[in-house]
Amino acid sequence: GAVVSQHPSWVICKSGTSVKIECRSLDFQATTMFWYRQFPKQSLMLMATSNEGSKATYEQGVEKDKFLINHASLTLSTLTVTSAHPEDSSFYICSASILDNGGTDTQYFGPGTRLTVL
Amino acid sequence: GESVGLHLPTLSVQEGDNSIINCAYSNSASDYFIWYKQESGKGPQFIIDIRSNMDKRQGQRVTVLLNKTVKHLSLQIAATQPGDSAVYFCAASSGTYKYIFGTGTRLKVLA
Repeated sequence: GAVVSQHPSWVICKSGTSVKIECRSLDFQATTMFWYRQFPKQSLMLMATSNEGSKATYEQGVEKDKFLINHASLTLSTLTVTSAHPEDSSFYICSASILDNGGTDTQYFGPGTRLTVL
Repeated sequence: GESVGLHLPTLSVQEGDNSIINCAYSNSASDYFIWYKQESGKGPQFIIDIRSNMDKRQGQRVTVLLNKTVKHLSLQIAATQPGDSAVYFCAASSGTYKYIFGTGTRLKVLA
């Protein structure tokens, strides 16, 4: 259980184009979904938190107009990198959380999407 | 600011030996801790978690120890196998859904 998928697993695009990444919780409905960014040999950096039907909460320094998040349902969130530039090249990882009976949120991660902007 | 750190960036262990990966956190209000394993090019995989009302929790070949007094937790892997080679992250949360991740420790298993 608690499987999270991402699509695509990798994408190469030209500078100036927009790229959409999907995150789905396959066997559960997620309380909340999260988007992280990870640079090589570094830890995960939280970009934004999203709940179904509401606007995403972005972390400080993350441009909301650059990284558009749509949370259409309890099992689907999308991240769109708009007008991508080479500096946006990174590994983007989503997670989906389950709230257990004890009130603890446990995040389960997707496999990640490697974005390369030429 | 709040931080979670790891004591060693790289840990090399002989196959079959036990591995201990350490993590320190700064927020004394942290009440939930998780260990993740990340293989190259993949997303983090949940290993084990522990709440602050516990000091030890065991899984299959893994044990997490929590010392709230010194704000330290560790992940012990018994009989380390080549498939355990990965980067291990600890994460802490403090009553909210937001996790603070450590910098990661790369575990190398030597044959």
